[in-house]
Amino acid sequence: SQELEQSPQSLIVQEGKNLTINCTSSKTLYGLYWYKQKYGEGLIFLMMLQKGGEEKSHEKITAKLDEKKQQSSLHITASQPSHAGIYLCGAAPYNNAGNMLTFGGGTRLMVKP
Amino acid sequence: SQTIHQWPATLVQPVGSPLSLECTVEGTSNPNLYWYRQAAGRGLQLLFYSVGIGQISSEVPQNLSASRPQDRQFILSSKKLLLSDSGFYLCAWSQGAVTEAFFGQGTRLTVV
Repeated sequence: SQELEQSPQSLIVQEGKNLTINCTSSKTLYGLYWYKQKYGEGLIFLMMLQKGGEEKSHEKITAKLDEKKQQSSLHITASQPSHAGIYLCGAAPYNNAGNMLTFGGGTRLMVKP
Repeated sequence: SQTIHQWPATLVQPVGSPLSLECTVEGTSNPNLYWYRQAAGRGLQLLFYSVGIGQISSEVPQNLSASRPQDRQFILSSKKLLLSDSGFYLCAWSQGAVTEAFFGQGTRLTVV
């Protein structure tokens, strides 16, 4: 089965600092998704990456997928308190029978004002 | 536009009682539907997914079951809840082979 490892598990940064969250897959990915979740709420879709080497940005958040399509990083520039939450990467494997989406363990981000 | 509804938002149930969580999607047809469970502050564990009416795939053997009686309705059930069933349950839908999934607001279940 698809396994996704996220690092770090938790992160505390000072407001204004940059940070990076990593997501590594044990298998080649067909699609990689980044979500943000506030405590006790549903997930908000951020970005989807599908091509090797692809990079997408949304406001101050940039996500990249490596050429081998097994690793992705999420980079936040000049972090704000509003960036706090749990970031989860999700993936669909190449042999995606049933369109199954699985997720990593999440990274809990706290931004200190 | 598409929307997903999940209810109830919170639920406290005694051990041994039955469970029924409902999820419905509006504004789309033949969606892929998912049930996930999330432990406190952790990632999502896929419990069930469905690609069509009556088609349920289970990822983790457990005390829970799922059903899809209608195209846009997904139900998570249990005949007898265990303490270990406590958690945050999320329903999600996606369209097509590989597209992003959209999530409901979740149900926090506490089994006492």
